[in-house]
Amino acid sequence: GAGVSQSPSNKVTEKGKDVELRCDPISGHTALYWYRQSLGQGLEFLIYFQGNSAPDKSGLPSDRFSAERTGGSVSTLTIQRTQQEDSAVYLCASRRTGNNEQFFGPGTRLTVL
Amino acid sequence: SQQGEEDPQALSIQEGENATMNCSYKTSINNLQWYRQNSGRGLVHLILIRSNEREKHSGRLRVTLDTSKKSSSLLITASRAADTASYFCATGGNAGGTSYGKLTFGQGTILTVHP
Repeated sequence: GAGVSQSPSNKVTEKGKDVELRCDPISGHTALYWYRQSLGQGLEFLIYFQGNSAPDKSGLPSDRFSAERTGGSVSTLTIQRTQQEDSAVYLCASRRTGNNEQFFGPGTRLTVL
Repeated sequence: SQQGEEDPQALSIQEGENATMNCSYKTSINNLQWYRQNSGRGLVHLILIRSNEREKHSGRLRVTLDTSKKSSSLLITASRAADTASYFCATGGNAGGTSYGKLTFGQGTILTVHP
């Protein structure tokens, strides 16, 4: 079956603009995660969705970051008023209930000029 | 923040040689996972070892876990040029635990296998 997909694959934006990143998890996977990978910080957890439960937002670096998951499937990560330090690869992963393995998408490379 | 530390940071070997990467972590774990990343994009799950296991094999991969030392190693035998990638250990992937399976990654080892 299809894996996790993310769009866009690359995004270049100007400082101060808002961006939306999209993640389509594997069908039937109830858990969805967003991670960020940057040169200075490595791979960092951002946010986690599980079914209809309230998301775990403990990894979001500031209130400029938010995420939604509609209908328990597609998720969007929104970054408002982007800053240069937001430049990174944003990775989405999904997981099937009862399984610890996470399946990652190819990521969105965000560049803030 | 990164829980794990991996060494070496970079490893360069010839095809056919074995590659060993090490990972240390700080907190108690339910399991430890290894992932591979090509060209800085998506990660691919390689293998998971549970806290009550000491060694696990998958094809050319061998993973060991020493919970007393809070360390793990990944061995790739008979390496190939196609194994060139970054390798990360990850902890916290306990879907039933309080961390809800969110992963904490090590800094990674960049492996280069020369043909």
